[in-house]
Amino acid sequence: GAGVSQSPSNKVTEKGKDVELRCDPISGHTALYWYRQSLGQGLEFLIYFQGNSAPDKSGLPSDRFSAERTGGSVSTLTIQRTQQEDSAVYLCASSTRTGGATGELFFGEGSRLTVL
Amino acid sequence: AQSVSQHNHHVILSEAASLELGCNYSYGGTVNLFWYVQYPGQHLQLLLKYFSGDPLVKGIKGFEAEFIKSKFSFNLRKPSVQWSDTAEYFCAVITTGGGNKLTFGTGTQLKVEL
Repeated sequence: GAGVSQSPSNKVTEKGKDVELRCDPISGHTALYWYRQSLGQGLEFLIYFQGNSAPDKSGLPSDRFSAERTGGSVSTLTIQRTQQEDSAVYLCASSTRTGGATGELFFGEGSRLTVL
Repeated sequence: AQSVSQHNHHVILSEAASLELGCNYSYGGTVNLFWYVQYPGQHLQLLLKYFSGDPLVKGIKGFEAEFIKSKFSFNLRKPSVQWSDTAEYFCAVITTGGGNKLTFGTGTQLKVEL
């Protein structure tokens, strides 16, 4: 597709359930990022993938959060045993390697997660 | 670690008013600075960026920003806002010590009234 695609766009789940959020980056973009956007909190970095390098997981808030990127393309963010404080919009972004180094990220429209 | 502060969380202006949104960062080294915008119902998109050279940078839709190194600031300006500028604006920074991840401010919600 022309842009970064995320699914689902909305997800409502019960506390304690696991959720998976998917990101399909722009074709050819080697860098992929996950951010979390909470009301009044700005955008919080979660994880960064670049090619075949080990991901930068420094932003993951707890061990309930994990992410994979298969084949250097699609990425899945998994939240286990969801808590109410996990409610947020989860944003995915991609860039070319050069773009990543210079901050030109292309964002998807996000997945809004609501934990009841 | 670097951080970004946006002091105005909500701004309401009338059309044709001038705009200045504050952004300060904390990092003593080399920085690349950005403003991103999120229009209602749309995804984040790059508004403008500063890497080096002329500290006054111009972006899309008449926006500009000035990098003042001594003040660790990168304020966004527009001489005359339009109703269509209603959006949320995020300042962001990449540092030489921060790898390839953007650190964002908390955002400023701008509402322009007719």
